[in-house]
Amino acid sequence: QVQLVQSGAEVRKPGASVKVSCEASGYTFSNYDINWVRQANGQGLEWMGWMNSNTGKTGFSQKFQGRLTITWSTSISTAYMELSSLRSDDTAVYYCARRGLYDDWFDTWGQGTLVTVSS
Amino acid sequence: QSALTQPASVSGSPGQSITISCTGTSSDVGGYDYVAWYQQHPGKAPKVIIYDVSDRPSGVSNRFSGSKSGNTAFLTISGLRTEDEADYHCSSFASNTLFVFGTGTKVTVL
Repeated sequence: QVQLVQSGAEVRKPGASVKVSCEASGYTFSNYDINWVRQANGQGLEWMGWMNSNTGKTGFSQKFQGRLTITWSTSISTAYMELSSLRSDDTAVYYCARRGLYDDWFDTWGQGTLVTVSS
Repeated sequence: QSALTQPASVSGSPGQSITISCTGTSSDVGGYDYVAWYQQHPGKAPKVIIYDVSDRPSGVSNRFSGSKSGNTAFLTISGLRTEDEADYHCSSFASNTLFVFGTGTKVTVL
């Protein structure tokens, strides 16, 4: 079945970087976008950015420009999200989510990765 | 890009119908028929229940329905059940940021 499995929880100090992985299975990785969405405790969802391994394109919310890097490895069907210059308000659960190339919705989500930023 | 505005909470009794609003602007909700709704139970990942304003993915109950008027989208849950108690999030395609989510609504079944 279609599945996205993310890496485990991380703890970082302010100013550091964190890299979260998202391994896809059950479908052809390049036929879908992978998006990254985060959710602070008790808050709503926040879209961060996307990638497509077939076109090589990425896109980012302006809020994260310069701090967010999205990469991937097609050979192992895995996407990566790296956020740098971490602040305490970056503490959140980070999700990867699949989107069809011509769709405007996310049909499959990873289980989420808690990133805690604390001194 | 500001988040779409949703009521913080909505409640109803079993069997009743409730409606959640999602208000944006002409640059997102009002400009495109690309609104989706997600249901999220505590500690779980979101699950899509409505896409393209009013379409339901296979396997989603027809008790969930979506609509839109101007810059506001709506999610209606009819025949409310205890398992519908969850957080609900709207999202929309947006011209300047690709996607924007709502502030989220907690649904309580009394």
